[in-house]
Amino acid sequence: NAGVMQNPRHLVRRRGQEARLRCSPMKGHSHVYWYRQLPEEGLKFMVYLQKENIIDESGMPKERFSAEFPKEGPSILRIQQVVRGDSAAYFCASSPGGGRLIEAFFGQGTRLTVV
Amino acid sequence: AQKITQTQPGMFVQEKEAVTLDCTYDTSDPSYGLFWYKQPSSGEMIFLIYQGSYDQQNATEGRYSLNFQKARKSANLVISASQLGDSAMYFCAMREMNRDDKIIFGKGTRLHILP
Repeated sequence: NAGVMQNPRHLVRRRGQEARLRCSPMKGHSHVYWYRQLPEEGLKFMVYLQKENIIDESGMPKERFSAEFPKEGPSILRIQQVVRGDSAAYFCASSPGGGRLIEAFFGQGTRLTVV
Repeated sequence: AQKITQTQPGMFVQEKEAVTLDCTYDTSDPSYGLFWYKQPSSGEMIFLIYQGSYDQQNATEGRYSLNFQKARKSANLVISASQLGDSAMYFCAMREMNRDDKIIFGKGTRLHILP
């Protein structure tokens, strides 16, 4: 009965490298959300995906950031050419969707540090 | 405009006392859900309690209860008989049925329980 799985838990990248964050939703969940949390701040919505579709990416920076949720496999949040300001905790949440207003279940987060 | 407002950045409470964490929200959607999450120092997001906009009764989960005042658009979290392990960040969040289903978070309240 695995919950939302995110990996890696910690990721260190040098400036200019690429960061790939993975999120496997709970079994049966078809909706995935990515959030970013800067130190001592709340969670900021980035992107909402369903299988093979981006539903809302209004919180995603226009450049360097992309997300996908393929038919098979985990959702991936990709940050190209990372900069120091990308250092944050990135959380993934999943829910069954279908208009049901139940809670979204969060993963443990990936803590990205850009050096 | 802020959708979720948590006016208490930090609170100090004596162990065993009850504590109320404030949350007000803004929506024109008649169908929505309200959530509280706890984030301890280890960083994970722990779901605590959920209140649906059409629920007649206030939600309760163990020592947690949600004081839902719909007309005032407030959804305060009440923790009874606080414990040292309750020290954490607490986030209020909302999900609107007729929006694109994403969860919006407040900035959080850091709760310190004093022995």
